[in-house]
Amino acid sequence: NAGVTQTPKFQVLKTGQSMTLQCAQDMNHEYMSWYRQDPGMGLRLIHYSVGAGITDQGEVPNGYNVSRSTTEDFPLRLLSAAPSQTSVYFCASSYSEGYQETQYFGPGTRLLVL
Amino acid sequence: QKEVEQDPGPLSVPEGAIVSLNCTYSNSAFQYFMWYRQYSRKGPELLMYTYSSGNKEDGRFTAQVDKSSKYISLFIRDSQPSDSATYLCAMLVLTPGEGAQKLVFGQGTRLTINP
Repeated sequence: NAGVTQTPKFQVLKTGQSMTLQCAQDMNHEYMSWYRQDPGMGLRLIHYSVGAGITDQGEVPNGYNVSRSTTEDFPLRLLSAAPSQTSVYFCASSYSEGYQETQYFGPGTRLLVL
Repeated sequence: QKEVEQDPGPLSVPEGAIVSLNCTYSNSAFQYFMWYRQYSRKGPELLMYTYSSGNKEDGRFTAQVDKSSKYISLFIRDSQPSDSATYLCAMLVLTPGEGAQKLVFGQGTRLTINP
């Protein structure tokens, strides 16, 4: 199993550009989530999904969109990038929402917005 | 006040030392307590989780929870240079009335084990 995979590993954007961060898992997990990690802030939840076709907002959803058309994939879209979105983004998955204590994380995408 | 507080360090100790990493929390509704290890430029990796007060051991690692004091610790015995990483505590709470779970992370402590 590859686990949770993320692409790209690193991206540079200009203010106002849009892009999609890809996340995929091959563990047949129902629950998937996106976090951003900033210095001194820990990990903060952006959006999450409890299954295909179901998504909801987390703690810091503004400026981001998600969709979940399949169990495997959970892309994160930046609509109009801003310097405040410079961060490291992690995708994670667990068997279900009720099993977040055993959540698996991807390797991360480093995003720099100029 | 943050729900979960963790000393960001950095913490530097010699090889073989016992390391103590700590987090405090304010929400008494937290149910599960996790420790993640994160190597530089990698994703967090789950080390241990527990849901009850007391100690849980896994090799050189011991997780300790004191719910009465709202305090959790991770002890690393016989520390190795390969233990050098950032350690994140995390806590899980069932959101009242919503049936949803909320996972809250500490800021992370950067640990260096010197050979």
